[in-house]
Amino acid sequence: NAGVMQNPRHLVRRRGQEARLRCSPMKGHSHVYWYRQLPEEGLKFMVYLQKENIIDESGMPKERFSAEFPKEGPSILRIQQVVRGDSAAYFCASSKGTAPFPNTGELFFGEGSRLTVL
Amino acid sequence: RKEVEQDPGPFNVPEGATVAFNCTYSNSASQSFFWYRQDCRKEPKLLMSVYSSGNEDGRFTAQLNRASQYISLLIRDSKLSDSATYLCVVNVLSGGYQKVTFGIGTKLQVIP
Repeated sequence: NAGVMQNPRHLVRRRGQEARLRCSPMKGHSHVYWYRQLPEEGLKFMVYLQKENIIDESGMPKERFSAEFPKEGPSILRIQQVVRGDSAAYFCASSKGTAPFPNTGELFFGEGSRLTVL
Repeated sequence: RKEVEQDPGPFNVPEGATVAFNCTYSNSASQSFFWYRQDCRKEPKLLMSVYSSGNEDGRFTAQLNRASQYISLLIRDSKLSDSATYLCVVNVLSGGYQKVTFGIGTKLQVIP
């Protein structure tokens, strides 16, 4: 039973290019969360998605960032026109859903995608 | 006020010591609570859930105080391998979906 799969593990982009990060949740999980972690800082929530729906995007920057979780295929976090400040580790996590509590509380994380912007 | 607050540390303790971390949360409607562990440059992993009655897992004890809105993690007989960042996590069911909030994490360094 594969865990949360993220790719690429490492991505290098020049300023102005686009970055696409992919996340395949654990089997049976329909909820996906994206977090960003800057060096020596905590996890910052970005977006929470269910299949074909964005549930909560309150942590997403207003520009250049978008996320989707299509009916088929992985969730994608897309960063357009990257800047140096986008350099970070981007973690994806999945969970079973909302009911019943507290069993669904656990998030399973992928190993992260480390973006470096030159 | 932050939704979940933790002292970032670092806590430097000798092997064998007992160390305790606290975490406070602001939303009284929070429903479930967890401690995660994150090793350097790795993904966070669930350490333990936190139940109202308190729970223990080997050297680790977690407690919840709903009245004061804080949770705690106690580590007894610290090992070098306990060195990591400990993340407090609080879940709120909102609009039919769970909102998961992480604290900034408390860094623990166990010294030989």
